[in-house]
Amino acid sequence: SQTIHQWPATLVQPVGSPLSLECTVEGTSNPNLYWYRQAAGRGLQLLFYSVGIGQISSEVPQNLSASRPQDRQFILSSKKLLLSDSGFYLCAWLLPGQAYEQYFGPGTRLTVT
Amino acid sequence: GQSLEQPSEVTAVEGAIVQINCTYQTSGFYGLSWYQQHDGGAPTFLSYNGLDGLEETGRFSSFLSRSDSYGYLLLQELQMKDSASYFCAVRDLQAGNNRKLIWGLGTSLAVNP
Repeated sequence: SQTIHQWPATLVQPVGSPLSLECTVEGTSNPNLYWYRQAAGRGLQLLFYSVGIGQISSEVPQNLSASRPQDRQFILSSKKLLLSDSGFYLCAWLLPGQAYEQYFGPGTRLTVT
Repeated sequence: GQSLEQPSEVTAVEGAIVQINCTYQTSGFYGLSWYQQHDGGAPTFLSYNGLDGLEETGRFSSFLSRSDSYGYLLLQELQMKDSASYFCAVRDLQAGNNRKLIWGLGTSLAVNP
């Protein structure tokens, strides 16, 4: 069966510090991978998605970046965090050819202080 | 533009039936999905309607009317554990973007004793 891992579960970082969140998927090959951010009590904002190694599409211009160094690894980074980067970060995957059923990791709750 | 609309909040009592509506405006349409998210958790897939009509999965049912660009999630025999946010989503079919989902802002369901 497929499993998606995210770490860390919670993170408190000062403004201006760097960020690296990692997501890995097990049990599948060549998945489409997604990074979402969710502010408290709000909807899901798509940040990045990737259809393959090294292929990244950015949805929202901001100080975040993403990379996909391996087929089942997706990394979200920032060189300098802003207060507005606080939120719940979710990684999700979708099988190629599948259209509607996304599977989400447990999420990382980031607080920028 | 493409958008989905759903009520922001719904309140019901245990044992009751509640309906959460979703209307959509999209360029093309492949089907409507529903996700559940408990506080602090990640969204989980509930159901998908690709064709008109009712899909039933236990206490939950989902309905779609493509001619009305409308769907709903029906929750029966409500339990306290059903208190969560519910999101509708459609596949984004704009050119070059057919691997993304467009999400509604979510409906917060509170089930009271």
